[in-house]
Order: sequence, then C-alpha cells, then structure tokens
Amino acid sequence: GENVEQHPSTLSVQEGDSAVIKCTYSDSASNYFPWYKQELGKGPQLIIDIRSNVGEKKDQRIAVTLNKTAKHFSLHITETQPEDSAVYFCAASLPLRSSYKLIFGSGTRLLVRP
Amino acid sequence: GAVVSQHPSWVICKSGTSVKIECRSLDFQATTMFWYRQFPKQSLMLMATSNEGSKATYEQGVEKDKFLINHASLTLSTLTVTSAHPEDSSFYICSARDPARLNSNQPQHFGDGTRLSIL
Repeated sequence: GENVEQHPSTLSVQEGDSAVIKCTYSDSASNYFPWYKQELGKGPQLIIDIRSNVGEKKDQRIAVTLNKTAKHFSLHITETQPEDSAVYFCAASLPLRSSYKLIFGSGTRLLVRP
Repeated sequence: GAVVSQHPSWVICKSGTSVKIECRSLDFQATTMFWYRQFPKQSLMLMATSNEGSKATYEQGVEKDKFLINHASLTLSTLTVTSAHPEDSSFYICSARDPARLNSNQPQHFGDGTRLSIL
C-alpha cells in the first residue's frame, strides 16, 4: 500500500526565514497531495494542495512543488511568522478505487522563533 | 466554506463504558466520511471509511466490533468505542468529502477532534 515519509520531524527557524518540509510517496497511482496544519488540540486544516498534473502551486507565502518522477513533494513557507508555528502534515490521496483515502506523513513540528 | 462538526470535543469515562462520537457535515452532504485516530505527537492513522447507507470499511488491524461506525444519513456518521479501556484513550478525528465532486479528488474537511480519556 501507499507509504508517505516526511522530513524533518522538527524544524526551528528564525522569524522571517523560509521553512521547507519534504515528503516522498511510494504509490505512483496517488494523484492528489494536500498539506495540513494542525494546532494543539485541533483538527488538521488544509493550507494548500496540488494535483499530479501540476508541478507547482503558490498561495501568498505558501508554495508546494511536486516531482512525479521522483515521487516527492515539498512545502515552502516564506517570511515565516510566529503564528506559523504548528505541526504540518503532508498526505497522499489514493485514487477512486481506494475511496480517495488519505495517507499521512509523520508530521513536522515547526517552531518560528520571534 | 465547508465545515465538519465533531461532538463531543472531550470525554472522560470509566473503563468498560461505551462512548459515542458524532461527526456532522454542516453545509454539504457527505456520502463518505473517514475516521482517524491520533496518539500524542504522532500522525493521523486511518481507522475506517464510513459510507452512507452501507457498512464501513475498516483498515487492517482495526477491530470492527470494537469501533462501531454508523453512517445513517448524508450529514452524520457516528463512531462508538465499545467497552473502552485505557489503551483506547486517544484523539479521534473525522473528516468528510463533498460528494458533489465524486469523480475527482477534493479536499477532506476535518472536524476538531474528540479527546477520549479512559480511566
């Protein structure tokens, strides 16, 4: 089945610097890759997503890149702010035959130091 | 935007009790909902896929008689943890997909989770 690996597990950056989180997936049939932000005691919130027919997507300070050949995708946060501190999860979605199940990475705890 | 509501947000009960958690889609009808479990500082692990009007599909290693799922309407799925024990203590989170986009991937919308503590 699908397996998603995420690195690093923890990331500490200075406010204003950029943060990059990387994920790899194993099932070439996966075709949708969302990123979620989870704050303490809350459910995950979608922050950006990308489909397999696109190589890059940007939304203000957040961008995601996808390399289908290498089966990896990355989250880029620029001009980080203390409120960006949270746990970030990447995920890969299996196709229709698997009910579009999401397989999550292990998470990255991001700390933005003021 | 789409909202998923989960209730209760927090429950503490004695060992042996059965606990029911509700997951509602508030502004769309969800034919498919998902139930996840998350232990402290760990990732979300899919427990089961809940399908409206049919039996849930459980992931390998998840006891279907332990975790009863009912998806009787297009806006409500329930997870019942039967005869709960301390090892069942966890953060349970549901999500739902908008069936208006059945043939394509669309974001799953997550509830805010239920923290279950079994004494």
